[in-house]
Amino acid sequence: DIQMTQSPSSVSASVGDRVTITCRASQGISSFLAWYQQKPGKAPTLLIYSASILQSGVPSRFSGSGSGTDFTLTISSLQPEDSATYYCQQANSFPFTFGGGTKVEIK
Amino acid sequence: VQLLETGGGLVQPGGSLRLSCAASGFTFSSYGMTWVRQAPGKGLEWVSIIGHTGVTTYYADSVKGRFTISRDNSKNTLYLQMNNLRAEDTAVYYCAKKVMVRGDNWFDPWGQGTLVTVAS
Repeated sequence: DIQMTQSPSSVSASVGDRVTITCRASQGISSFLAWYQQKPGKAPTLLIYSASILQSGVPSRFSGSGSGTDFTLTISSLQPEDSATYYCQQANSFPFTFGGGTKVEIK
Repeated sequence: VQLLETGGGLVQPGGSLRLSCAASGFTFSSYGMTWVRQAPGKGLEWVSIIGHTGVTTYYADSVKGRFTISRDNSKNTLYLQMNNLRAEDTAVYYCAKKVMVRGDNWFDPWGQGTLVTVAS
């Protein structure tokens, strides 16, 4: 199975800050990576697919990059509504594993 | 597009439960579907996936042999039959539509989830 490791597990930042979350796959997954946002008590929502393609309706302050084993989710200017937990997920091979999540809090 | 899960509840260890996911707003028979679960306070765990015809299925090792995914395209409904339930199966179970483009897959949208509690 492909293991997905996210870091950090949590981050606290101020409004307007740039926040970067990394996701590392235990083996190469090409660009078959998605990022999801989950707010407390809610279902996850898709932010980015194919490592770097922004889902329709997602603010442009979110961006994704990477291929192979190393990926990044960046929030260019953190907003209060971005307080959530973020998960990466690989779709290169079954089982479609998720990273452990990164909780983003607003200072 | 809407996905609505039902069927969760409290069940004793060793018991069974069937979850349903009613889909609307898209051509259900054209898309693969998946179940993902989240134990209380924990991260997301992929559970199972089914192809658009229902012929192809895959399972996480943690549920293989105990859970069965199926679908009824005439009813626009996805199912998850869960047998021999264990305490560690306690979680919110989400269904989601699988989108596949050029070999890549992602899940969008997700239902609101249904809580399964396995306890005596």
